Amino acid sequence: QVHLQESGPGLVKSSQTLSLTCTVSGGSISSGNYYWSWIRQPAGKGLEWLGRIYTDGSTNYNPSLKSRVAVSGDTSKNQFSLKLTSVTAADTAVYYCARGAHSVSLSFDYWGQGILVSGSS
Amino acid sequence: DIQMTQYPSSLSASVGDTVTITCRASRYMSNYLNWYQQKPGKAPTLLIYDASALQSGVPPRFSGSGSGTDFSLTISSLQPEDFGTYYCQQSYSSITFGGGTKVEIK
Repeated sequence: QVHLQESGPGLVKSSQTLSLTCTVSGGSISSGNYYWSWIRQPAGKGLEWLGRIYTDGSTNYNPSLKSRVAVSGDTSKNQFSLKLTSVTAADTAVYYCARGAHSVSLSFDYWGQGILVSGSS
Repeated sequence: DIQMTQYPSSLSASVGDTVTITCRASRYMSNYLNWYQQKPGKAPTLLIYDASALQSGVPPRFSGSGSGTDFSLTISSLQPEDFGTYYCQQSYSSITFGGGTKVEIK
């Protein structure tokens, strides 16, 4: 059973960088046909995909956030991380890490429990 | 980006009813469509992938159909535990989610 767990600060000051880590157990981030993703959800709103890292280390990002987002991996710790620069109050959301599995489409079959991050002034 | 329009935005139905949720894409996307259920305070869970394939462990009362631009999720014989918000998600071009459909049990 794959398990994902987000960690990081719950409060980030405006204009600073949000940094979160996802620790994966029960599976390796460097093997298999999987994309390790970050997804966020503002309170009472829908889901927004932010970016992903593939098992070979390649990355893809949401075009609307591309200049602010970076996803990286640490295979020695079986973790992947999110950095979001120039944070504002609009970045306040629950942030999820998730595993993307490819069949025809890419679907998210395992999710972390989520971590609430507030961007404050 | 492909925009996903989901409707209705909310619905209320009785136990035993058949419920259908629709997702329409702004352009052709084959069957690169997935459906999720989210309960309050929890992460989403995958129900249907590739438009019509049932995720392991999901009850067979959930079914998906569609291809191209129009997709639907059907819940046959609605159960009390089926309350929550349902989202569609496409991966044909980048990744985007629909706005969600909140399902309440009467």
